[in-house]
Amino acid sequence: GAVVSQHPSWVICKSGTSVKIECRSLDFQATTMFWYRQFPKQSLMLMATSNEGSKATYEQGVEKDKFLINHASLTLSTLTVTSAHPEDSSFYICSATLGAGVYNEQFFGPGTRLTVL
Amino acid sequence: DAKTTQPTSMDCAEGRAANLPCNHSTISGNEYVYWYRQIHSQGPQYIIHGLKNNETNEMASLIITEDRKSSTLILPHATLRDTAVYYCIVRDVYNQGGKLIFGQGTELSVKP
Repeated sequence: GAVVSQHPSWVICKSGTSVKIECRSLDFQATTMFWYRQFPKQSLMLMATSNEGSKATYEQGVEKDKFLINHASLTLSTLTVTSAHPEDSSFYICSATLGAGVYNEQFFGPGTRLTVL
Repeated sequence: DAKTTQPTSMDCAEGRAANLPCNHSTISGNEYVYWYRQIHSQGPQYIIHGLKNNETNEMASLIITEDRKSSTLILPHATLRDTAVYYCIVRDVYNQGGKLIFGQGTELSVKP
């Protein structure tokens, strides 16, 4: 299957700083990328849908000014957690797909664990 | 909100078949049933999907009832490496960008 990478795999930062997480599709061009977050012992929660060259669509309750998403190319999307606070500590996972359609699977990255002190 | 209900946890003996049920009684005609699994602290992994016919691949089999209101994922010979959380998801592949909405899943423990 297709490979999606995330960088960094883990990050620790101080409260009030901003953190950028990268999501790359390594061997295919992803027209759509998704960002999820997962708290311990909980399921994945979809944060936003990102299409190359356009603004991200955020799920209800997700602050778009807090979680900045950029999808500048068909192989790269970035999530920036601005002014991070301890409650933003979570496991952030991206996925990438060629687009809608039954044959266009979502391929997931390995996740990035964010710890805000 | 997730449109599926699954048991919270299940145990299975190594080498035996693991049968994971999923209820999706409100599934609509253009929604597919997808199964993913997540091994601890990793990203989810695609397993299989289907619309109304039973499906089989190298990882698992998917049995969908005729009324499409429920399905069962079958791992024919479970190994310790199959220990994971298994998510059953109904997905509108042509609308809403094909996004996946995860429910709570079933935590499968394969025991020696």
